[in-house]
Amino acid sequence: AQTVTQSQPEMSVQEAETVTLSCTYDTSESDYYLFWYKQPPSRQMILVIRQEAYKQQNATENRFSVNFQKAAKSFSLKISDSQLGDAAMYFCAQDASGAGSYQLTFGKGTKLSVIP
Amino acid sequence: DSGVTQTPKHLITATGQRVTLRCSPRSGDLSVYWYQQSLDQGLQFLIQYYNGEERAKGNILERFSAQQFPDLHSELNLSSLELGDSALYFCASSTPGPQETQYFGPGTRLLVL
Repeated sequence: AQTVTQSQPEMSVQEAETVTLSCTYDTSESDYYLFWYKQPPSRQMILVIRQEAYKQQNATENRFSVNFQKAAKSFSLKISDSQLGDAAMYFCAQDASGAGSYQLTFGKGTKLSVIP
Repeated sequence: DSGVTQTPKHLITATGQRVTLRCSPRSGDLSVYWYQQSLDQGLQFLIQYYNGEERAKGNILERFSAQQFPDLHSELNLSSLELGDSALYFCASSTPGPQETQYFGPGTRLLVL
């Protein structure tokens, strides 16, 4: 069974500063994808970034980047130049594509507050 | 807007009742996933359908069932409702391929009284 762990229930960051959210996972698969989803107060789940496990290069989407350490099973999200609109719950997730299913296993989330 | 639609947005019902949640996937997506988000259990995968057939099953109760119709919309049926079934139910859709990514609908908030 897969597990995804987010050890930081809450984080805060000053506007315009950088923050890193942590995520570790446990899987026996060699082929899988990792994701960060954002859930603002509207409760909509919004894809932030995805990473293919077979790619060594870390994914980047504008101000969002990841630090993917496959051997350590670590997948952290870095948000640069934080904005008030970044305040939300952030969920780390892994799929089971190596096992033939793309269902997502989610961590419990990190609540990010942005201080003006 | 993800392109995935879910109805209704909110649903209030009583214990023992049955409800149906509806999901329309993004145009061209063949897979539909259902997830439950509750305070106790967090976000949990319930079930996946691909092109009308059940593909994977997660922590779905026997009181719950789902189906995907020929036009690819999906319905999640919840019966004999209990207080603990109160949650946010998400539908997500995706198209298989090297860039497979799930896009989530806005969710249906179910309150069982």
